[in-house]
Order: sequence, then structure tokens, then C-alpha cells
Amino acid sequence: SQQGEEDPQALSIQEGENATMNCSYKTSINNLQWYRQNSGRGLVHLILIRSNEREKHSGRLRVTLDTSKKSSSLLITASRAADTASYFCATDRVYNQGGKLIFGQGTELSVKP
Amino acid sequence: DAGITQSPRHKVTETGTPVTLRCHQTENHRYMYWYRQDPGHGLRLIHYSYGVKDTDKGEVSDGYSVSRSKTEDFLLTLESATSSQTSVYFCAISGTGGVVANEQFFGPGTRLTVL
Repeated sequence: SQQGEEDPQALSIQEGENATMNCSYKTSINNLQWYRQNSGRGLVHLILIRSNEREKHSGRLRVTLDTSKKSSSLLITASRAADTASYFCATDRVYNQGGKLIFGQGTELSVKP
Repeated sequence: DAGITQSPRHKVTETGTPVTLRCHQTENHRYMYWYRQDPGHGLRLIHYSYGVKDTDKGEVSDGYSVSRSKTEDFLLTLESATSSQTSVYFCAISGTGGVVANEQFFGPGTRLTVL
């Protein structure tokens, strides 16, 4: 079963606009991570937010985590055509063994020049 | 790409044949994972390894086996391939030495087609 559910499934915006993607999960977590996947490539780690953190920034990325609502959001500011990719959230569940992550189905972002 | 390679990158095979996919890392990471990626399902964990000769099942392990005889190599075997195993397979690694695993680094993927 999927732990993370991304919303929306697809998002199309113009260059320069902000893109917001959401992720909901079901069980308590140690941390939540966001990954990007360009077409035909492997996933690339973007950012990790721990369960005791509420917000984290990395360049144009801003991630929030609300453990009471079991949800997270990824904001990409001032988007560029190169941001076109699929974005996945992944959760590291409490009592997890082996560093296993549960991935959501992803949000497909298209940034038009 | 974090020193992780997969081979082959593409493979077409017939139903009933055995297939082995290889994941090789040069990072000395403790944890290694095999995922499959299918439309509508995201990434699903097949098997993972937490050390040499230490492996465990993921959520979709039926029809797959793995082996890890040395730190750098993690093999995924389809004993008798079926059309439902047509997918893109990704290997991932995480952790360094005894450090608790956190973010994962992914290989480029293997596209497998079972006819």
C-alpha cells in the first residue's frame, strides 16, 4: 500500500510562477523526503525534513511538514523550464528497519517557457 | 550519480526465462534497494539489503530473489520472468558504514520487457 499520496497528479505552469505539490501519508514518520525524476532517469534526492521540523529551505525549494495533519508540501519558487520533472514524496516510517522508504505516485510538473 | 551503475540498461526477454539484473556501487554504502516503477504505482520496493548476505523482502517480492555477496554488488533475479514483470527497475543505495540510512541515491534504471 502507498504511504504517500501526492496531489495534484499533474501540474502545468508558466516559467516564473510558483509550483506547489502536496503529499499526505498515513502513519507516523521519522522523516519525509522529496525526490525529483527527470524523464528516463533515476530519482534525485532534493530535501529531507525530520518529524520535529516544520519548515525547511534549500535554494528555491521550500518544504513544510504538518505531522498533526500527516501532510507535507513542496514549493518551488520562480520555476524554470528545467524544473519540468516528476516529483515524489517518500516517508521513513517510525519503527522502520533498513532505511526503507515508501514512495507516493508522484506529481508530474510541466513548466512552459 | 553517487557511483552507482546498473546493468544491463535495457533487456528484452521471453516469458519463462531467468533474468539477473546487477547493481554496482563504489560508495561503500551499507544499504541497497531494488524498486520497480510502473505507471500508476510509483516506486515499489522489491527487496533490500542491510549488509553483505543480509537481505529482506519489500512489498512486491513475489517472483524475485536477491543476493549480496559483497558490499558493492546487489543482484536481482527473476527466476522465471512473466509479462507482469515488465517494468523499469531501479537500484538505490544509502548510508555510509554504520550511519543510519537516510536519503537514497538512485541508479539510472534498467528497462525490462518480458514478451
